[in-house]
Amino acid sequence: GAGVSQTPSNKVTEKGKYVELRCDPISGHTALYWYRQSLGQGPEFLIYFQGTGAADDSGLPNDRFFAVRPEGSVSTLKIQRTERGDSAVYLCASSLTGTGITDTQYFGPGTRLTVL
Amino acid sequence: AQSVTQLDSHVSVSEGTPVLLRCNYSSSYSPSLFWYVQHPNKGLQLLLKYTSAATLVKGINGFEAEFKKSETSFHLTKPSAHMSDAAEYFCVVTYNQGGKLIFGQGTELSVKP
Repeated sequence: GAGVSQTPSNKVTEKGKYVELRCDPISGHTALYWYRQSLGQGPEFLIYFQGTGAADDSGLPNDRFFAVRPEGSVSTLKIQRTERGDSAVYLCASSLTGTGITDTQYFGPGTRLTVL
Repeated sequence: AQSVTQLDSHVSVSEGTPVLLRCNYSSSYSPSLFWYVQHPNKGLQLLLKYTSAATLVKGINGFEAEFKKSETSFHLTKPSAHMSDAAEYFCVVTYNQGGKLIFGQGTELSVKP
């Protein structure tokens, strides 16, 4: 079946602009996660949704970052007033339940964001 | 703080020789542990996971890992490396039985012919 998809695959923007990154999870998965991977680093957690609500947003670095999942499926990560330090690969993952020891997160290919 | 440490940023082996990628975790309480692999320009793929059942965990492509509580380690091994194993490997921990994953810094595996 279809995996997690993310669009766009690449996004180049200028400092100060607003960007939106989209994630389509695996159908039927109730949990959705956003991570950010800077060059040469492991992914870092940003936010986790259970259904439509953010269950844990402790990883969002500041109030320029916001994410929504209005219908419990597709999610959009929004970044306002982008800065050069926001340049990274943004990864989305989904899992069936988000709880329990058998739950597994499946990752999308990522969106590479470059802020000039 | 919850964390995971990968002891080598880069490992190089010859094709056909064993692979050992080392990982230690902080021991707040019982973790779930994973190894993910990331090939160039591809998404993260789960290799294997430990969830407090058997301490020796077998994964895909001949990889396995052993959970050692006394050493707080979860090293990844493979008896014989293949060229296609060249990739970035991440040791990952979660303490929430779901929810956020905490990634190590990654180990880049190179395989020489």
